[in-house]
Amino acid sequence: GNSVTQMEGPVTLSEEAFLTINCTYTATGYPSLFWYVQYPGEGLQLLLKATKADDKGSNKGFEATYRKETTSFHLEKGSVQVSDSAVYFCALSERGGSNYKLTFGKGTLLTVNP
Amino acid sequence: ETGVTQSPTHLIKTRGQQVTLRCSSQSGHNTVSWYQQALGQGPQFIFQYYREEENGRGNFPPRFSGLQFPNYSSELNVNALELDDSALYLCASSLQGIRDSPLHFGNGTRLTVT
Repeated sequence: GNSVTQMEGPVTLSEEAFLTINCTYTATGYPSLFWYVQYPGEGLQLLLKATKADDKGSNKGFEATYRKETTSFHLEKGSVQVSDSAVYFCALSERGGSNYKLTFGKGTLLTVNP
Repeated sequence: ETGVTQSPTHLIKTRGQQVTLRCSSQSGHNTVSWYQQALGQGPQFIFQYYREEENGRGNFPPRFSGLQFPNYSSELNVNALELDDSALYLCASSLQGIRDSPLHFGNGTRLTVT
């Protein structure tokens, strides 16, 4: 079946550092790929997505490119802020019933220190 | 626009008991999905409801069941609770038939089984 593997955390960075969180996937067909973020005590929020190979998703300074040849969707940000501290989940969509369900990775906890 | 709301926020039950969790979908959304997020793990798909019928199911036993009502709100019922059912239960709403219609998550219900 489909699966998502992401970099294990926790990741601790200083403010303004460069961030990379690795994500690779296994899927049949052509899934869409997502990054979700979960702040403490809250549900998940969609951060960005890409629906086909070579697409780049971006939002709030975060970027990720859908690489079919390496089955990867790594999350990057050039300069992190304290407010970026959260858990980040990589996910792919697969058809479930007549709509799409998400398969998530285990999540990566990011802590950004001032 | 009203977001996804879940109730209760926290719940403590004893092994063997039954529990009902509730979810109101975001206005305009007609599909509800439920996910289980164990501590330190990514969310896992339980099932999805559309037009008041189950529309896809993950690898969960039949003691996990659900309902969707005409106003698109939903319930998740779990019978014969086990210790491993302790988790954060997330509800997400979306629009049926729209590829990659973003899932909008609620803040979840934290269930503890003792």
